[in-house]
Amino acid sequence: NAGVTQTPKFQVLKTGQSMTLQCAQDMNHNSMYWYRQDPGMGLRLIYYSASEGTTDKGEVPNGYNVSRLNKREFSLRLESAAPSQTSVYFCASSEPPGINNSPLHFGNGTRLTVT
Amino acid sequence: GENVEQHPSTLSVQEGDSAVIKCTYSDSASNYFPWYKQELGKRPQLIIDIRSNVGEKKDQRIAVTLNKTAKHFSLHITETQPEDSAVYFCAAGWSGSARQLTFGSGTQLTVLP
Repeated sequence: NAGVTQTPKFQVLKTGQSMTLQCAQDMNHNSMYWYRQDPGMGLRLIYYSASEGTTDKGEVPNGYNVSRLNKREFSLRLESAAPSQTSVYFCASSEPPGINNSPLHFGNGTRLTVT
Repeated sequence: GENVEQHPSTLSVQEGDSAVIKCTYSDSASNYFPWYKQELGKRPQLIIDIRSNVGEKKDQRIAVTLNKTAKHFSLHITETQPEDSAVYFCAAGWSGSARQLTFGSGTQLTVLP
């Protein structure tokens, strides 16, 4: 039982390059999320997927796209990376909060640097 | 949308002393308030949560209090230990909502030996 697995752990991109961050969970959770973490700004929601087949924008969606490939997997794509997207990205999964005391389960994060 | 403010941004205490971190929220519809701990280079992990139908919850050395009227909630850590050093995040949201949570900006707690 690995929980939430993110790849890659580190990535350096040049401005304008594209990449996809991968996330998979093995806890049979319905909901999955992508957050970014910047110093002094906490965790900000980029996109979320309430269930397989649905995705919705969070607080900071501009410059990103997501795909909920199946119940297990939720990917985040940067089509044209910008220095402002330098951040640590966390994937998370859960059942809706408060249901069966299900908290957010986070992956280990991806540290992305855009030069 | 929800807005969560967290204070202080940094907090240093002597080992054995208590630490208190405070958060305020804006949306009166929020009814779920978790706290996450993030050690350096690690993932955030839930340490305690509270729902709006209770005013206080304790788990060993940590406790959370909620004042719905004033829309603020606090994390209390007693008898602090060096392993309590970490960044702590509060969050607020709606129980049962898949949109999940709005996080505070975090508090770096340092426990001095």
